[in-house]
Amino acid sequence: EAQVTQNPRYLITVTGKKLTVTCSQNMNHEYMSWYRQDPGLGLRQIYYSMNVEVTDKGDVPEGYKVSRKEKRNFPLILESPSPNQTSLYFCASSSPGQGIGNEQFFGPGTRLTVL
Amino acid sequence: GEDVEQSLFLSVREGDSSVINCTYTDSSSTYLYWYKQEPGAGLQLLTYIFSNMDMKQDQRLTVLLNKKDKHLSLRIADTQTGDSAIYFCAETTYSSASKIIFGSGTRLSIRP
Repeated sequence: EAQVTQNPRYLITVTGKKLTVTCSQNMNHEYMSWYRQDPGLGLRQIYYSMNVEVTDKGDVPEGYKVSRKEKRNFPLILESPSPNQTSLYFCASSSPGQGIGNEQFFGPGTRLTVL
Repeated sequence: GEDVEQSLFLSVREGDSSVINCTYTDSSSTYLYWYKQEPGAGLQLLTYIFSNMDMKQDQRLTVLLNKKDKHLSLRIADTQTGDSAIYFCAETTYSSASKIIFGSGTRLSIRP
């Protein structure tokens, strides 16, 4: 089954404790992206990657890191989480220019709470 | 800059039509999308329209695009309880085919 998986689905942590949220897709998509969803603000892009070893900042990259060592994986790293990073995080992948424009395929989301 | 705006809430009676509206600012949009987010899930593409089209119909869904006013709407006919969700408008543009801009989402609730 074609899908984007994220782990963990739920995470409660404390300020300053490094964490990684994993994202993996099995559709051989070049493009991967991380978003955060906050009430009333919609989806805001954190980082994106056009292909292996190519990453770029989105609209709200502060406090986050990413890496793209393999095509299928795109982990999101919070080196020193703070309470304002409490949010619902989504990973997405796509193959721009193929199919329907840049149709994004989303993971199920990771709900992060930073105390 | 690029911006996509939607109202946050819409409540309709079961069986009525729902109309969700969206405005965007970038006149070089290529594709405009409607994504649906059900509770506890990620977003899924519901329908889309290419920028050279005015209307697209797909079963109970009708998408209208007014390029002059930069206005997009999604009409759901005979709204059912299963249509309860958050609906996101989104666009991609010629200037950045790899970037997709999302609106804030409209929460559709259905009353009996």
